[in-house]
Amino acid sequence: AQTVTQSQPEMSVQEAETVTLSCTYDTSESNYYLFWYKQPPSRQMILVIRQEAYKQQNATENRFSVNFQKAAKSFSLKISDSQLGDTAMYFCASSFSYLNTNAGKSTFGDGTTLTVKP
Amino acid sequence: DTAVSQTPKYLVTQMGNDKSIKCEQNLGHDTMYWYKQDSKKFLKIMFSYNNKELIINETVPNRFSPKSPDKAHLNLHINSLELGDSAVYFCASSPRQVLDYEQYFGPGTRLTVT
Repeated sequence: AQTVTQSQPEMSVQEAETVTLSCTYDTSESNYYLFWYKQPPSRQMILVIRQEAYKQQNATENRFSVNFQKAAKSFSLKISDSQLGDTAMYFCASSFSYLNTNAGKSTFGDGTTLTVKP
Repeated sequence: DTAVSQTPKYLVTQMGNDKSIKCEQNLGHDTMYWYKQDSKKFLKIMFSYNNKELIINETVPNRFSPKSPDKAHLNLHINSLELGDSAVYFCASSPRQVLDYEQYFGPGTRLTVT
């Protein structure tokens, strides 16, 4: 079974500053995917960034980057130059690779509510 | 064009009623899901279908019955609604046949049982 843990229920950051959201996971799989999703007050779930476990290079999408530590099973999200529009709930998620019989199932963390203050 | 759509977006009903939520995706994905997000915002998977076949069925009361008439649709029917069923229900889809499990979510259906 896979588990995903987000230990920070709430965080806040000043506009233009950098914030890091933590996520740890546990899996017995050797190949898997990790994701960060954003859920703003509008309720729409949006993919922020993804990481394939077999890739050592950390994924980056504009102001969003991850620190993927496979041995430590850690997958933190760094948001640089925070903007008011980044205020949202952020979910960390993991999924099996398609070779696994349970492929297609994602496990979500409990979320971190991020507030960007002006 | 909406990729994953759900109807209705809001549903208010009384205990004991039966209701359905519809979901459609126009992405050509093989796999569809239903998630429940409770009042604490915890997101839990309920069901997953791949090409109309049920592949994941988490511990969900059997009052909840998913139906997939084709791979572009996954509807959720709920019998004998209870107060605890109040939540936001999200439909999602993903392309199973590629090594990529990003999920595309619908806008959610807020169900309120009174």
